[in-house]
Amino acid sequence: DIQLTQSPSSLSASVGDRVTITCRATQTVSNWLAWYQQKPGKAPKLLISKASTLDHGVPPRFRGRGSGTEFSLTIDSLQAEDVGLYYCQQYQSSWTFGQGTTVEVQ
Amino acid sequence: VQLVESGGGLAQPGGSLRLSCEGTDFDFGNHALTWVRRAPGRGLEWVSSVSRTGRTTYYADAVKGRFTISRDNPKNTLFLEMNSLRPEDSGIYFCAKSPVDIIAYFDSWGQGASVTVAS
Repeated sequence: DIQLTQSPSSLSASVGDRVTITCRATQTVSNWLAWYQQKPGKAPKLLISKASTLDHGVPPRFRGRGSGTEFSLTIDSLQAEDVGLYYCQQYQSSWTFGQGTTVEVQ
Repeated sequence: VQLVESGGGLAQPGGSLRLSCEGTDFDFGNHALTWVRRAPGRGLEWVSSVSRTGRTTYYADAVKGRFTISRDNPKNTLFLEMNSLRPEDSGIYFCAKSPVDIIAYFDSWGQGASVTVAS
């Protein structure tokens, strides 16, 4: 099974900061990787598919990069409404999620 | 697109529950569907998926042999029959759809149904 490890587990930053979350896979997933945001008490929301393709309506401050085993999600200018949990998910072989990264705004 | 789960609740270890997920405002029968859960204090975990026709199903090792996924396309409803429940099956269960009939990523999710397995 392909495992995904996200880092950091949590981060706290100020409005306007650039923040980056990393997702590492135990074997290559090519670019078959998605990112989700989950706000407290809400359903997960798709942000990015195929490593870097923004879903409809997702603000362009969200940016996905990477291929193979190393991926990143960057929020270019953190906003207060970006608070939540962020997950990566691979769909190269079966389907697995990273453990999640909590984003807080100072 | 709307996905609305129902059927969660409290079950004893070894017991059973059946979750339902009704989909509206999209062509239900043309999309693969999936159940994902989130246990308390843990991250998201893929549970089971079904092709658009219902003929092909997939299960995580943790639930294989105990859970059954199915769908009723004329009624726009997805099901998850959960038997031999264990305390570690507790959590929020989300249904999610893939953009096409390929089970890949999940572009719409329901709000979730809570399952608690305890004596």
